[in-house]
Amino acid sequence: DGGITQSPKYLFRKEGQNVTLSCEQNLNHDAMYWYRQDPGQGLRLIYYSQIVNDFQKGDIAEGYSVSREKKESFPLTVTSAQKNPTAFYLCASSRENRVMRNTEAFFGQGTRLTVV
Amino acid sequence: AQTVTQSQPEMSVQEAETVTLSCTYDTSENNYYLFWYKQPPSRQMILVIRQEAYKQQNATENRFSVNFQKAAKSFSLKISDSQLGDTAMYFCAFDDNQGGKLIFGQGTELSVKP
Repeated sequence: DGGITQSPKYLFRKEGQNVTLSCEQNLNHDAMYWYRQDPGQGLRLIYYSQIVNDFQKGDIAEGYSVSREKKESFPLTVTSAQKNPTAFYLCASSRENRVMRNTEAFFGQGTRLTVV
Repeated sequence: AQTVTQSQPEMSVQEAETVTLSCTYDTSENNYYLFWYKQPPSRQMILVIRQEAYKQQNATENRFSVNFQKAAKSFSLKISDSQLGDTAMYFCAFDDNQGGKLIFGQGTELSVKP
């Protein structure tokens, strides 16, 4: 079945450590996104990528980094520079069709990151 | 910058009744897409309905329909015959037509009571 897989589901990090969240999709989608979800704030965009080897900062990119070496994969690294990393992280992908503008996004099941 | 506002943090409705969730947005674009996503307790995001701004007809998907008022920049979701499984967080989202980037509102937590 096609879909988006995020791993792990739960992740614990000690202060000062970098940690990488995995996101893989087999939908052949060009565009991929990372969102952060905090209570009462909806989803905020961290980074997005429309093609391989290219990505753009979203609204809250500070303290995060990404790579897009393969179409299927868009890992997110939470660095020690992120002062408040405890949150729920959602990865999404969409088919970037500039003719039809079919931009429905499909989401993974999320990763809950907790700093201990 | 585009913004999406959901002014109702929480709502409740009796089973089988109808409920309307509000959403307003701000943009200078003329062509764009609007979405309602549902996030149940499992936290899986599920697309409920989609509206294309150039279409004047309101979108409908079974018990879900929208009231799209382009001039007022309003995009409300109506759920008819509410079911217990409709209990979830609902997010309004806007495609800013700048590369498929979705902008989300703060969410409305809907509880359907038996």
